[in-house]
Amino acid sequence: QKEVEQNSGPLSVPEGAIASLNCTYSDRGSQSFFWYRQYSGKSPELIMFIYSNGDKEDGRFTAQLNKASQYVSLLIRDSQPSDSATYLCAVGRTRGSGNNRKLIWGLGTSLAVNP
Amino acid sequence: GAVVSQHPSWVICKSGTSVKIECRSLDFQATTMFWYRQFPKQSLMLMATSNEGSKATYEQGVEKDKFLINHASLTLSTLTVTSAHPEDSSFYICSGYGYTFGSGTRLTVV
Repeated sequence: QKEVEQNSGPLSVPEGAIASLNCTYSDRGSQSFFWYRQYSGKSPELIMFIYSNGDKEDGRFTAQLNKASQYVSLLIRDSQPSDSATYLCAVGRTRGSGNNRKLIWGLGTSLAVNP
Repeated sequence: GAVVSQHPSWVICKSGTSVKIECRSLDFQATTMFWYRQFPKQSLMLMATSNEGSKATYEQGVEKDKFLINHASLTLSTLTVTSAHPEDSSFYICSGYGYTFGSGTRLTVV
């Protein structure tokens, strides 16, 4: 079992729809959870992070964390063609301002938003 | 905040030569910097963790004599690919503060 698992996709959604991306992790001691977006040929950019169970919203993005079930998801509302990218889930054992935070990465889910 | 500047953005070098990649933390003190490598259509692979003023910690399977890491100050970490070969061609990315990335370096060895 991989430490952080994501469906590789591609996930295809029409413009304006909700895209749902899922990630499961194996380490129950994980404390911090991150979603990154990576465009082809570019480095990852942080979308949002979540530490506590429940939902966290930031604009069109909502992260959902369920530690009991060991999954974290990312919802993208009103999906736009510019959201087409690979979405990476990363999990860490520490939280807060982490100068020493080592993250475990999923392989990413490719999202295609069709006009 | 937490901006990491990485240079060069891309480099082409001849087989057998060495290439140095720099990552600077612009607005924070980076006691730790993470170095990743990413091959096309694959996910990030952590190569090593550099620690200011001490030796880097390398992940299993990464040759520390080939990928030299120096983290001599709180704002600069460098990765040197020594005696580069075509199979070292990849996208190298640094990450500071635990979650912010440099813009990456595309290395092509010919």
